[in-house]
Amino acid sequence: DTEVTQTPKHLVMGMTNKKSLKCEQHMGHRAMYWYKQKAKKPPELMFVYSYEKLSINESVPSRFSPECPNSSLLNLHLHALQPEDSALYLCASSPGTPASTDTQYFGPGTRLTVL
Amino acid sequence: AQKITQTQPGMFVQEKEAVTLDCTYDTSDPSYGLFWYKQPSSGEMIFLIYQGSYDQQNATEGRYSLNFQKARKSANLVISASQLGDSAMYFCAMREPYSGSARQLTFGSGTQLTVLP
Repeated sequence: DTEVTQTPKHLVMGMTNKKSLKCEQHMGHRAMYWYKQKAKKPPELMFVYSYEKLSINESVPSRFSPECPNSSLLNLHLHALQPEDSALYLCASSPGTPASTDTQYFGPGTRLTVL
Repeated sequence: AQKITQTQPGMFVQEKEAVTLDCTYDTSDPSYGLFWYKQPSSGEMIFLIYQGSYDQQNATEGRYSLNFQKARKSANLVISASQLGDSAMYFCAMREPYSGSARQLTFGSGTQLTVLP
């Protein structure tokens, strides 16, 4: 089973709202990722968690706050977003080992619209 | 710095025909992995196929095969017997050198494939 689930599928929020995106995997993977993707563009890496610790933060504004409560769950807390933050947010997971076949598996994404 | 180039923004193919999507890469690292992902309009990125830099044979997964030419630094995706459901954006990606406990992916700009009935 290579399933990564994400909720919600769609989210519309105002610039003053606080919301959270959720991601879950049950493949025993130890690395989890958040990506932001604009239309017709490749995904852009935002954060990487490795063994439940934040290992990479790609200079993401503080209005995005990641959280990894356990090895299966990854959250992205959103606060005071801007309209330009509207995008598809993808979660991914991988075994997180140095093995050459360390493959990232993606969830279906959350389409976020900021009004 | 690692770089992935996909020079075909859009491609059309007739149903049941084969199609090749181009991908070239640049890296100074002798050890790397190359991946292809499919992204339908629904948004999910679907892993298709993987090729390691030291693999002697081209990777195959069902109707997908990877034409890996290491000297030319190319990793083209071949889809045989195209189906209407193959219409999607296709991304080539390369895994960056070991960085901590998780490796990052560098993506190409993507190729939008349309299969015609």
